[in-house]
Amino acid sequence: GAVVSQHPSWVICKSGTSVKIECRSLDFQATTMFWYRQFPKQSLMLMATSNEGSKATYEQGVEKDKFLINHASLTLSTLTVTSAHPEDSSFYICSARVAGATDTQYFGPGTRLTVL
Amino acid sequence: GIQVEQSPPDLILQEGANSTLRCNFSDSVNNLQWFHQNPWGQLINLFYIPSGTKQNGRLSATTVATERYSLLYISSSQTTDSGVYFCGSGGSNYKLTFGKGTLLTVNP
Repeated sequence: GAVVSQHPSWVICKSGTSVKIECRSLDFQATTMFWYRQFPKQSLMLMATSNEGSKATYEQGVEKDKFLINHASLTLSTLTVTSAHPEDSSFYICSARVAGATDTQYFGPGTRLTVL
Repeated sequence: GIQVEQSPPDLILQEGANSTLRCNFSDSVNNLQWFHQNPWGQLINLFYIPSGTKQNGRLSATTVATERYSLLYISSSQTTDSGVYFCGSGGSNYKLTFGKGTLLTVNP
């Protein structure tokens, strides 16, 4: 149980284009999902918290107009990197919080974005 | 926000050895999780352990919340244990702050 998927697993795009990444909780409902970014050989940095049916809350320094987050249902959150540039190349990971007795977060397999 | 420090940053072991990884956090936490990141980047949940002790096979973890640290024990290490181990801790807002990780290399 508690499986989180991400799609696509990797994507290469041209500078200036937009890329959408999907995060799905497959066997549970997630009122809260999180988006992280990880640079090579570094830790995970929280970008934003995505709550179903409401606007996402962004961490300091994260451009909300560049990283659009939509959490339209209890099992799906999307991250759209708009007008991507090479510096946006990174590993993006989502997680979903299992509400209930514990606050355990389960992580998706990640999406590797390369912007040419 | 919560600050998380992990030690050691790197650890090299021979297969069969035991190891202890440490995670210090700066404030009281509602959530403390240990993860193993595999070579493909997937974070594998090891333990949810904001306090107390848990064991799962060759792995066990202990969190002493009053002293703000958690320990991950790996016994009889195997080459498949290699990878980066992260701890993430969080307060009442459910956000997780991650340490910089421990890179474990287990040699045959």
